[in-house]
Amino acid sequence: AQTVTQSQPEMSVQEAETVTLSCTYDTSESDYYLFWYKQPPSRQMILVIRQEAYKQQNATENRFSVNFQKAAKSFSLKISDSQLGDAAMYFCAYKGDFGNEKLTFGTGTRLTIIP
Amino acid sequence: GAGVSQSPRYKVAKRGQDVALRCDPISGHVSLFWYQQALGQGPEFLTYFQNEAQLDKSGLPSDRFFAERPEGSVSTLKIQRTQQEDSAVYLCASSNRLRTGIVYEQYFGPGTRLTVT
Repeated sequence: AQTVTQSQPEMSVQEAETVTLSCTYDTSESDYYLFWYKQPPSRQMILVIRQEAYKQQNATENRFSVNFQKAAKSFSLKISDSQLGDAAMYFCAYKGDFGNEKLTFGTGTRLTIIP
Repeated sequence: GAGVSQSPRYKVAKRGQDVALRCDPISGHVSLFWYQQALGQGPEFLTYFQNEAQLDKSGLPSDRFFAERPEGSVSTLKIQRTQQEDSAVYLCASSNRLRTGIVYEQYFGPGTRLTVT
Protein backbone atom coordinates (compact mmCIF):
# COMPACT_ATOMS: atom_id res chain seq x y z
CA ALA A 1 0.00 0.00 0.00
CA GLN A 2 1.12 3.52 -0.69
CA THR A 3 1.92 5.86 2.18
CA VAL A 4 2.50 9.62 2.25
CA THR A 5 4.46 11.27 5.06
CA GLN A 6 4.57 14.94 5.96
CA SER A 7 7.03 15.36 8.80
CA GLN A 8 6.33 19.04 9.52
CA PRO A 9 3.06 19.46 11.44
CA GLU A 10 3.49 23.25 11.48
CA MET A 11 5.54 25.80 9.61
CA SER A 12 5.65 29.58 9.70
CA VAL A 13 7.13 32.15 7.35
CA GLN A 14 7.38 35.90 7.17
CA GLU A 15 5.21 37.56 4.56
CA ALA A 16 7.07 37.90 1.23
CA GLU A 17 9.61 35.24 2.18
CA THR A 18 9.98 31.71 0.79
CA VAL A 19 9.01 28.51 2.56
CA THR A 20 9.39 24.84 1.64
CA LEU A 21 7.03 22.10 2.79
CA SER A 22 8.30 18.52 2.77
CA CYS A 23 6.61 15.33 1.63
CA THR A 24 7.89 11.81 1.15
CA TYR A 25 6.00 8.80 -0.12
CA ASP A 26 6.39 5.10 -0.49
CA THR A 27 5.26 3.15 -3.54
CA SER A 28 6.23 0.22 -5.70
CA GLU A 29 4.59 1.71 -8.79
CA SER A 30 6.60 3.37 -11.53
CA ASP A 31 3.85 5.63 -12.88
CA TYR A 32 1.81 7.79 -10.55
CA TYR A 33 0.72 11.35 -9.81
CA LEU A 34 1.51 13.65 -6.91
CA PHE A 35 -0.48 16.64 -5.73
CA TRP A 36 -0.38 19.44 -3.22
CA TYR A 37 -3.77 20.53 -1.91
CA LYS A 38 -4.52 23.58 0.22
CA GLN A 39 -7.28 23.49 2.85
CA PRO A 40 -8.18 26.87 4.37
CA PRO A 41 -10.40 27.09 7.48
CA SER A 42 -13.46 26.96 5.21
CA ARG A 43 -12.48 23.29 4.66
CA GLN A 44 -12.68 23.44 0.86
CA MET A 45 -9.71 21.53 -0.54
CA ILE A 46 -8.11 23.39 -3.44
CA LEU A 47 -5.56 21.91 -5.82
CA VAL A 48 -2.31 23.91 -5.74
CA ILE A 49 -0.05 21.96 -8.05
CA ARG A 50 0.39 18.49 -9.55
CA GLN A 51 3.25 16.41 -10.92
CA GLU A 52 3.28 13.36 -13.16
CA ALA A 53 5.97 10.90 -12.12
CA TYR A 54 7.06 10.28 -15.71
CA LYS A 55 7.92 13.95 -16.17
CA GLN A 56 11.41 14.94 -15.10
CA GLN A 57 10.68 18.65 -15.19
CA ASN A 58 9.42 20.06 -11.91
CA ALA A 59 5.94 21.59 -12.05
CA THR A 60 5.45 25.31 -11.40
CA GLU A 61 2.30 27.38 -10.94
CA ASN A 62 3.03 31.08 -10.43
CA ARG A 63 4.53 31.38 -6.91
CA PHE A 64 4.28 27.64 -6.27
CA SER A 65 6.84 25.11 -7.45
CA VAL A 66 7.83 21.59 -6.54
CA ASN A 67 11.09 19.74 -6.15
CA PHE A 68 10.32 16.20 -7.31
CA GLN A 69 13.03 13.63 -6.59
CA LYS A 70 11.71 10.33 -7.90
CA ALA A 71 14.57 8.15 -6.71
CA ALA A 72 14.34 9.59 -3.23
CA LYS A 73 10.52 9.52 -3.33
CA SER A 74 10.43 13.13 -2.24
CA PHE A 75 8.00 15.83 -3.36
CA SER A 76 8.45 19.20 -1.64
CA LEU A 77 6.44 22.37 -2.23
CA LYS A 78 8.11 25.77 -2.41
CA ILE A 79 6.01 28.88 -1.92
CA SER A 80 7.74 32.08 -2.98
CA ASP A 81 6.75 35.61 -1.96
CA SER A 82 4.42 34.24 0.73
CA GLN A 83 1.13 36.07 1.13
CA LEU A 84 -1.36 36.21 3.99
CA GLY A 85 -3.84 34.27 1.85
CA ASP A 86 -1.43 31.33 1.72
CA ALA A 87 -2.16 30.52 5.36
CA ALA A 88 -3.84 27.11 5.41
CA MET A 89 -3.31 23.39 5.90
CA TYR A 90 -1.33 21.89 3.04
CA PHE A 91 -1.73 18.24 2.14
CA CYS A 92 0.49 16.16 -0.08
CA ALA A 93 -1.42 13.46 -1.98
CA TYR A 94 -0.57 10.44 -4.13
CA LYS A 95 -2.56 8.81 -6.88
CA GLY A 96 -1.57 5.55 -8.55
CA ASP A 97 -1.65 4.86 -12.22
CA PHE A 98 -4.75 4.58 -14.39
CA GLY A 99 -7.38 2.38 -12.77
CA ASN A 100 -6.43 3.32 -9.24
CA GLU A 101 -8.45 6.45 -8.75
CA LYS A 102 -8.26 7.23 -5.04
CA LEU A 103 -6.01 9.83 -3.46
CA THR A 104 -3.80 8.92 -0.50
CA PHE A 105 -3.09 11.96 1.68
CA GLY A 106 -0.43 12.85 4.19
CA THR A 107 -1.29 14.25 7.61
CA GLY A 108 -0.80 17.84 6.54
CA THR A 109 1.31 20.87 7.40
CA ARG A 110 -0.26 23.93 8.93
CA LEU A 111 1.32 27.03 7.38
CA THR A 112 1.19 30.34 9.24
CA ILE A 113 2.13 33.60 7.54
CA ILE A 114 3.64 36.22 9.83
CA PRO A 115 2.81 39.79 8.74
CA GLY B 1 -21.99 24.36 -13.32
CA ALA B 2 -21.24 25.35 -9.76
CA GLY B 3 -18.79 23.50 -7.58
CA VAL B 4 -19.38 20.40 -5.51
CA SER B 5 -21.99 20.98 -2.83
CA GLN B 6 -22.67 18.98 0.29
CA SER B 7 -25.49 19.02 2.78
CA PRO B 8 -25.90 19.42 5.61
CA ARG B 9 -22.74 21.37 6.47
CA TYR B 10 -23.06 20.33 10.11
CA LYS B 11 -24.81 17.36 11.64
CA VAL B 12 -25.11 16.39 15.29
CA ALA B 13 -26.35 12.89 15.95
CA LYS B 14 -26.92 10.94 19.11
CA ARG B 15 -25.04 7.67 19.33
CA GLY B 16 -27.10 4.97 17.68
CA GLN B 17 -28.91 7.25 15.25
CA ASP B 18 -28.74 6.84 11.48
CA VAL B 19 -27.50 9.74 9.35
CA ALA B 20 -27.51 10.52 5.62
CA LEU B 21 -25.04 12.90 4.02
CA ARG B 22 -25.64 14.25 0.55
CA CYS B 23 -23.23 15.20 -2.21
CA ASP B 24 -24.06 17.07 -5.44
CA PRO B 25 -21.10 16.75 -7.80
CA ILE B 26 -20.16 19.13 -10.57
CA SER B 27 -22.57 18.62 -13.48
CA GLY B 28 -21.24 16.09 -15.94
CA HIS B 29 -18.55 14.68 -13.69
CA VAL B 30 -18.46 10.93 -14.01
CA SER B 31 -16.38 10.07 -10.95
CA LEU B 32 -17.39 10.70 -7.36
CA PHE B 33 -15.39 10.05 -4.20
CA TRP B 34 -16.08 10.09 -0.48
CA TYR B 35 -13.34 10.75 2.07
CA GLN B 36 -13.35 10.86 5.87
CA GLN B 37 -11.20 13.45 7.61
CA ALA B 38 -10.70 13.04 11.35
CA LEU B 39 -9.65 16.07 13.37
CA GLY B 40 -6.05 17.00 12.67
CA GLN B 41 -5.61 14.32 10.02
CA GLY B 42 -5.56 14.11 6.28
CA PRO B 43 -8.58 12.82 4.36
CA GLU B 44 -8.89 9.06 4.08
CA PHE B 45 -10.56 7.37 1.14
CA LEU B 46 -13.90 5.70 1.75
CA THR B 47 -15.43 4.82 -1.61
CA TYR B 48 -15.52 5.68 -5.32
CA PHE B 49 -18.22 5.70 -8.01
CA GLN B 50 -17.98 5.86 -11.73
CA ASN B 51 -21.45 6.90 -12.85
CA GLU B 52 -23.79 4.73 -10.76
CA ALA B 53 -21.31 1.89 -10.33
CA GLN B 54 -19.47 1.66 -7.02
CA LEU B 55 -16.06 0.52 -8.20
CA ASP B 56 -14.15 0.68 -4.94
CA LYS B 57 -15.49 0.56 -1.40
CA SER B 58 -12.35 -0.70 0.24
CA GLY B 59 -12.13 2.29 2.59
CA LEU B 60 -15.53 1.93 4.24
CA PRO B 61 -14.66 1.22 7.89
CA SER B 62 -17.56 -1.08 8.68
CA ASP B 63 -20.81 -2.45 7.34
CA ARG B 64 -22.57 0.44 9.07
CA PHE B 65 -21.35 2.65 6.24
CA PHE B 66 -23.20 2.55 2.95
CA ALA B 67 -22.97 4.79 -0.12
CA GLU B 68 -25.11 5.01 -3.20
CA ARG B 69 -25.36 6.98 -6.41
CA PRO B 70 -28.44 5.51 -8.09
CA GLU B 71 -28.68 7.80 -11.13
CA GLY B 72 -25.00 8.56 -11.55
CA SER B 73 -25.27 12.09 -10.20
CA VAL B 74 -26.17 12.86 -6.56
CA SER B 75 -24.65 10.55 -3.98
CA THR B 76 -25.64 9.76 -0.41
CA LEU B 77 -23.39 8.41 2.31
CA LYS B 78 -25.39 6.69 5.01
CA ILE B 79 -24.07 5.75 8.42
CA GLN B 80 -26.21 3.45 10.53
CA ARG B 81 -26.11 3.24 14.32
CA THR B 82 -23.56 6.05 14.58
CA GLN B 83 -20.70 5.70 17.06
CA GLN B 84 -18.51 8.39 18.59
CA GLU B 85 -15.58 7.31 16.44
CA ASP B 86 -17.64 8.28 13.37
CA SER B 87 -17.23 11.95 14.32
CA ALA B 88 -15.30 13.54 11.46
CA VAL B 89 -15.62 15.73 8.41
CA TYR B 90 -16.92 13.83 5.40
CA LEU B 91 -15.64 15.20 2.13
CA CYS B 92 -17.06 14.53 -1.31
CA ALA B 93 -15.10 15.08 -4.51
CA SER B 94 -15.90 14.70 -8.19
CA SER B 95 -13.85 14.53 -11.35
CA ASN B 96 -13.99 13.76 -15.02
CA ARG B 97 -12.98 10.24 -15.84
CA LEU B 98 -9.27 9.75 -16.19
CA ARG B 99 -8.08 9.06 -19.65
CA THR B 100 -4.66 7.62 -20.23
CA GLY B 101 -2.12 10.39 -20.41
CA ILE B 102 -4.54 13.03 -19.09
CA VAL B 103 -4.02 14.33 -15.57
CA TYR B 104 -7.30 14.70 -13.77
CA GLU B 105 -8.27 16.82 -10.79
CA GLN B 106 -10.61 15.98 -7.98
CA TYR B 107 -12.80 18.95 -7.04
CA PHE B 108 -13.81 18.88 -3.40
CA GLY B 109 -16.93 20.04 -1.65
CA PRO B 110 -16.88 21.94 1.68
CA GLY B 111 -17.59 18.80 3.66
CA THR B 112 -20.11 17.79 6.30
CA ARG B 113 -18.91 17.93 9.90
CA LEU B 114 -20.54 15.06 11.79
CA THR B 115 -20.49 15.10 15.57
CA VAL B 116 -21.78 12.04 17.40
CA THR B 117 -22.68 12.66 21.03
